[in-house]
Amino acid sequence: GAVVSQHPSRVICKSGTSVKIECRSLDFQATTMFWYRQFPKQSLMLMATSNEGSKATYEQGVEKDKFLINHASLTLSTLTVTSAHPEDSSFYICSAALGVDTQYFGPGTRLTVL
Amino acid sequence: AQSVSQHNHHVILSEAASLELGCNYSYGGTVNLFWYVQYPGQHLQLLLKYFSGDPLVKGIRGFEAEFIKSKFSFNLRKPSVQWSDTAEYFCAVRAGGTSYGKLTFGQGTILTVHP
Repeated sequence: GAVVSQHPSRVICKSGTSVKIECRSLDFQATTMFWYRQFPKQSLMLMATSNEGSKATYEQGVEKDKFLINHASLTLSTLTVTSAHPEDSSFYICSAALGVDTQYFGPGTRLTVL
Repeated sequence: AQSVSQHNHHVILSEAASLELGCNYSYGGTVNLFWYVQYPGQHLQLLLKYFSGDPLVKGIRGFEAEFIKSKFSFNLRKPSVQWSDTAEYFCAVRAGGTSYGKLTFGQGTILTVHP
């Protein structure tokens, strides 16, 4: 099946710094990728839809200046958490759409902000 | 906006027991329905999906789900679980007819199967 990777798998940073997370579709091209956030014992919450070559579409309540998304190529989308704070600590998961119907998910990135 | 509710947070079964995980959604229009599974230490994988046609959908590893439109439900079933089915299961809904439409996930159900 289609493979999606994320890097890094785990990151610890100091409050106030920025962190970049990469999402790659390894064996297919994805014009659309999605970024989710998962809190402990809760569901995945969609943060934004990333479209190659255009601006991301953010869900209500998600700060676009806080969570910068770039989808520069058909195989790479990046999420940058700017000026991270402890409340940004979470598990971030990306997915890549293959065709119309199916999303393939990455393994997730655990962000801890001290 | 659509929402998804999974009734059980944690289900514990013995091997060979039958499984049914509940999933209800709220959305007035046509929906596409999904069940995803996340095995320990692994990423989310698609178990099965329903778009149209036969409301009884068969997926991988012996799982099936039934779409009951009148009940807004899409329950996941397996007649006889195995230890290797231990995982977290997520139900998800997408507004039908929407290309690349967003998925709304339920809270997830952790299934623990004892050998």
